[in-house]
Amino acid sequence: EAQLVESGGGLVRPGGSQRLSCAVSGLDVSSNFMAWVRRAPGKGLEWVAVLYKTGTTYYADSVKGRLSISRDNSKNTVFLHMDSLRPEDTAVYYCARVNWNGGGAFDSWGQGTLLIVSS
Amino acid sequence: SYVLSQPPSVSVALGQTARISCGGNNLVNIGDKAVNWYQLKPGQAPVAVVFNDKDRPSGIPERFSGYNSGTSATLTISRVEGGDEADYFCQVWYNGRDHPEVIFGGGTRVTVL
Repeated sequence: EAQLVESGGGLVRPGGSQRLSCAVSGLDVSSNFMAWVRRAPGKGLEWVAVLYKTGTTYYADSVKGRLSISRDNSKNTVFLHMDSLRPEDTAVYYCARVNWNGGGAFDSWGQGTLLIVSS
Repeated sequence: SYVLSQPPSVSVALGQTARISCGGNNLVNIGDKAVNWYQLKPGQAPVAVVFNDKDRPSGIPERFSGYNSGTSATLTISRVEGGDEADYFCQVWYNGRDHPEVIFGGGTRVTVL
């Protein structure tokens, strides 16, 4: 069974930068589609970014140009680089694996890491 | 961002059946999409309870079932237990203007009476 453990959240000033990490065991990030999903306080789930096993990346319009998903195959870790942070980026950020054999479902998730963007 | 429509809340008595709907919009025809459903409890990792409209991941009780009628999708929780109290979200992949996108429903809070 896969385990995904996010880290890197915390308090960041508006306009600042942060890098979130997702350490993965039980599956190989280089041969899977990995994604970040977030949930702002009192809100629903919002997809943020996806990284295909080919290296292709796609982003939600709300984060395009500011957030970047990447991976380190040697560490089996997925990252979310975040620049020009805004208060509306405050959320719990979840890392997840996309299972294309299962309707594109996010079938493995981490417990999330909380990022607060505030002055 | 585009959101699939879900009722904000559903209340159900212990042992009864809860049904949560997920509707498309003018951009997303849910009938030709694979609908996935997730359960979220505070402080816990989200869990997929139904994928590909009606399939259940291993470990998910048969009490959880899904259906896609073509105009909307439904998650049904039979013989509801106290541990089923949670937020539930539907999700699809959508071919956006420039690239694939993920769309979630607005979420439904299930309260067990």
